[in-house]
Amino acid sequence: EDQVTQSPEALRLQEGESSSLNCSYTVSGLRGLFWYRQDPGKGPEFLFTLYSAGEEKEKERLKATLTKKESFLHITAPKPEDSATYLCAVRAGGTSYGKLTFGQGTILTVHP
Amino acid sequence: NAGVTQTPKFQVLKTGQSMTLQCAQDMNHEYMSWYRQDPGMGLRLIHYSVGAGITDQGEVPNGYNVSRSTTEDFPLRLLSAAPSQTSVYFCAIWDIAGNTIYFGEGSWLTVV
Repeated sequence: EDQVTQSPEALRLQEGESSSLNCSYTVSGLRGLFWYRQDPGKGPEFLFTLYSAGEEKEKERLKATLTKKESFLHITAPKPEDSATYLCAVRAGGTSYGKLTFGQGTILTVHP
Repeated sequence: NAGVTQTPKFQVLKTGQSMTLQCAQDMNHEYMSWYRQDPGMGLRLIHYSVGAGITDQGEVPNGYNVSRSTTEDFPLRLLSAAPSQTSVYFCAIWDIAGNTIYFGEGSWLTVV
């Protein structure tokens, strides 16, 4: 069974204090690892897709990395507007498009 | 939200009532899905469709029906609502070109 575990459940940072969120996964034949951002009362917003170990992607203050067992979302010098819930999901080999397994998310709060 | 429109935004139902959550897309995507999001449970797949006339069950399909008569629409039906179906529901499309899922804004359902 595919599993995704995110840690920590919640993270409080001061503005400018860099940190990382973790996503550990167990999946049969990874076909993609996805990161989303979700603001309160909104739908998840796509950030990144990673496919193979060693791959990295960046967007503004965010950088996602991937190993064979986990992914990290690094946040460099965060700002209050980075406060949100960050979701990680995987697509397993042999599964149809649209079938993602999600973690429970990490709630990030950045204080000014 | 990549052209995914969900209605209604909010709904309160009494136990045993039926209703339909609507999902429409205007980008001609073949793959559409319904997820529910509950505190501590993450996003879980209810049903998905790989094209008009083709649907399949996800992780938590019980109590829900779907149909896909057109490419544009993918309604989710609750035949006899139960308090356990109180949740936030997200419709999603798979963008093959971008190789990722885009979500709608969500429908908040309360069953009393």
